[in-house]
Amino acid sequence: AQSVAQPEDQVNVAEGNPLTVKCTYSVSGNPYLFWYVQYPNRGLQFLLKYITGDNLVKGSYGFEAEFNKSQTSFHLKKPSALVSDSALYFCAVRDAMDSSYKLIFGSGTRLLVRP
Amino acid sequence: KAGVTQTPRYLIKTRGQQVTLSCSPISGHRSVSWYQQTPGQGLQFLFEYFSETQRNKGNFPGRFSGRQFSNSRSEMNVSTLELGDSALYLCASRQTSGGTGITGYTFGSGTRLTVV
Repeated sequence: AQSVAQPEDQVNVAEGNPLTVKCTYSVSGNPYLFWYVQYPNRGLQFLLKYITGDNLVKGSYGFEAEFNKSQTSFHLKKPSALVSDSALYFCAVRDAMDSSYKLIFGSGTRLLVRP
Repeated sequence: KAGVTQTPRYLIKTRGQQVTLSCSPISGHRSVSWYQQTPGQGLQFLFEYFSETQRNKGNFPGRFSGRQFSNSRSEMNVSTLELGDSALYLCASRQTSGGTGITGYTFGSGTRLTVV
């Protein structure tokens, strides 16, 4: 069965410092991986995705993520955090072998960037 | 290019009533999926529609249903509402490309349903 784990409910970081939001996944086949961000009372905004190719994926707002197949991880990173990055972040996976197109989401990680 | 539009944004219903939520996908997107977001269960897949056909359904009771129209707009219906149905309901549209479905999913802002 497909699953996604985001082990940290909350990540706290000071503005200007690098940030990492962790994500590990489990799928039968090859993974298609996504990161979304959610601001209060809003839907999900797409940040980036990994389908194939380069393990380092660059996305919106300066975010990037590194796909690590051996560790089944897809951690979200940003070199220098902004207060405006404070939000709820979701990692999601779709199994390439799954004929449905549903996304399996992690439980979310709240990022708090303090000034 | 307009995004995914969900209406209404907020809804308050009484237990036992039924409700219909609407989703208009991005122009040209033929696939629409629905997700339920609650604090306890997180984001859970409800169903996906493509070309007016339900392709997949998540693990939800039959009270949850949906449909898609020829213009790709979709509606979901929940009958006999329960308190536990209170949630943010998100719609996502996807540009189908060669059947691989590996393009990104664009989400709407959601409909916040409160059942009292």
